[in-house]
Amino acid sequence: SQELEQSPQSLIVQEGKNLTINCTSSKTLYGLYWYKQKYGEGLIFLMMLQKGGEEKSHEKITAKLDEKKQQSSLHITASQPSHAGIYLCGAYQGAQKLVFGQGTRLTINP
Amino acid sequence: DTGVSQDPRHKITKRGQNVTFRCDPISEHNRLYWYRQTLGQGPEFLTYFQNEAQLEKSRLLSDRFSAERPKGSFSTLEIQRTEQGDSAMYLCASCILAGGPGEQFFGPGTRLTVL
Repeated sequence: SQELEQSPQSLIVQEGKNLTINCTSSKTLYGLYWYKQKYGEGLIFLMMLQKGGEEKSHEKITAKLDEKKQQSSLHITASQPSHAGIYLCGAYQGAQKLVFGQGTRLTINP
Repeated sequence: DTGVSQDPRHKITKRGQNVTFRCDPISEHNRLYWYRQTLGQGPEFLTYFQNEAQLEKSRLLSDRFSAERPKGSFSTLEIQRTEQGDSAMYLCASCILAGGPGEQFFGPGTRLTVL
């Protein structure tokens, strides 16, 4: 079965700093999803990547899928308090099921 | 609000009791998924429906768990004889049937605490 490993597991950054979260898969990724979750709430869709080398951006968040399609990174530029939360990567498993990494907890200090 | 809704948002129950959760997907979505998320972990797939048919169940779904989607609209997840290990966030997601990856929309979740 496919497994996703996220790093780091938690991250504390100063407001205004850039940061990167990584997601590494044990198998080839055919669809890689990034979600954000506030504590105790549901998941908010950020982006989906399918093609090797693909890069997508939304506001100050950029996600990339590497050429070999086994790793993705999420980069936040000039972090803000609103970026705080848990970031989850999910891999498409067929029938649109997803398997998720364990999450990265992001804290933004003012 | 036209998103995925779940009810209740929180449920506290005693060990051995039965509980039922409800999920209302986005109206035109024919696929509905249930996931379970424990503290500090990502969600784990439990089961999914295409219209009213339950097409797959995870090994995580023991005999105490049952899910239905009787008319292909809302779905219920019932846990019988709850155990403390059932304490988790239960998430519902829905999407339109597609030939490959597509956006899944998640509900706010039902947090279950078994005392």
